[in-house]
Amino acid sequence: SSELTQDPAVSVALGQTVRITCQGDSLRSFYASWYQQRPGQAPLLVIYDKNNRPSGIPDRFSGSSSGNTVSLTITGAQAEDEADYYCSSRDSSGNHWVFGGGTKLTVL
Amino acid sequence: VQLVESGGGLVQPGGSLRLSCAASGFAFSSYWMHWVRQAPGKGLVWVSYINSDGSTGNYADSVKGRFTISRDNAKDTLYLQMNSLRAEDTALYYCAREVGGSSGWFAFDIWGQGTMVTVSS
Repeated sequence: SSELTQDPAVSVALGQTVRITCQGDSLRSFYASWYQQRPGQAPLLVIYDKNNRPSGIPDRFSGSSSGNTVSLTITGAQAEDEADYYCSSRDSSGNHWVFGGGTKLTVL
Repeated sequence: VQLVESGGGLVQPGGSLRLSCAASGFAFSSYWMHWVRQAPGKGLVWVSYINSDGSTGNYADSVKGRFTISRDNAKDTLYLQMNSLRAEDTALYYCAREVGGSSGWFAFDIWGQGTMVTVSS
């Protein structure tokens, strides 16, 4: 089982806003990052350092953090945002890296 | 900037495989590197990391004692030696580069396309 907990599935209407959350005790001590994975593709970094986007990631993607929860928000979801999203951080010991179980985003 | 994995395949339970990850387009020797795996239809699972000079590494409990991570900075290549393979090791294995900042943030910014390992008799 993962030390980071995500909702298995979330849906959003086209053009609307969706928030994907990730909870874990280690998030009080360590930064998290977010990854998008489309079917058949490798993961893609979308958010790091709480709320920074790599070059090429649209600004509709944003991140936030509070206590033991980090969130990925997509403002104005597009059809191409339909994918699996994973959070990642360290475990409570700091000696291992962990991923959340993933959230499947459906854009309706 | 690219990572290309190789070495996957079909192996019997108890067998061994060595995966490779060839890096190009960046100063490989400056970065920590990781292996992450994904079983068919399942989520991402961290497997192992190695620091930039290869002196330190760590493993997920599920592979500790069976897998060994190493690197050859002269060849810009990362390795994963997998021994005593089990059916549950069946997965797509990705290598990934870690980047980070002085404030303590870190992320996997570059990923390969993965190499498939199937453990079956």
